[in-house]
Amino acid sequence: LAKTTQPISMDSYEGQEVNITCSHNNIATNDYITWYQQFPSQGPRFIIQGYKTKVTNEVASLFIPADRKSSTLSLPRVSLSDTAVYYCLVGGSGGSYIPTFGRGTSLIVHP
Amino acid sequence: NAGVTQTPKFRILKIGQSMTLQCTQDMNHNYMYWYRQDPGMGLKLIYYSVGAGITDKGEVPNGYNVSRSTTEDFPLRLELAAPSQTSVYFCASTVDLRPGRNYGYTFGSGTRLTVV
Repeated sequence: LAKTTQPISMDSYEGQEVNITCSHNNIATNDYITWYQQFPSQGPRFIIQGYKTKVTNEVASLFIPADRKSSTLSLPRVSLSDTAVYYCLVGGSGGSYIPTFGRGTSLIVHP
Repeated sequence: NAGVTQTPKFRILKIGQSMTLQCTQDMNHNYMYWYRQDPGMGLKLIYYSVGAGITDKGEVPNGYNVSRSTTEDFPLRLELAAPSQTSVYFCASTVDLRPGRNYGYTFGSGTRLTVV
């Protein structure tokens, strides 16, 4: 399984753009990159998934460079409700994917 | 469409007691998982199942048992509760593991268990 590294915590303010970068140097050719969001006292929630270049949905954008050794989750104009833990997961190839959640990045959005 | 339903939401157990955490999904997902999450930590995989009748151990299976008699249900059994099992337990499911077809995992709302 590809190991991921992401910052333990980040702080931001309402209205700012937040970028959370995840490193995954040993990503396999068929692995996908998936990000989850977890609010306190809730289970993680799927945000976005991508393989290469850029993916955008109504919640976030995911930027993946050509070498795919890292990825950046971009949250535009965050609000207080975006305060949560964000997890980066890499995998999906080989047909035996067991999602492994590290400690994630704790994002705190300040007024 | 209820998704993944976990019961109970909260439970206090005494040391040595037993209980079953229930997990049911109505999405016809083959793959189901049980995780535990300790305060300030990530999720650790306890057991998982790739289909009815098939289960396997995850990272932290000791003290737990599971069964998967139907596609919908994946109960987690604690036989002799210990304080170290105080945690929040999450059940999750997904439809497909193939590259590019894994559209994310659906999690339940969790069971907060305290063993005293």
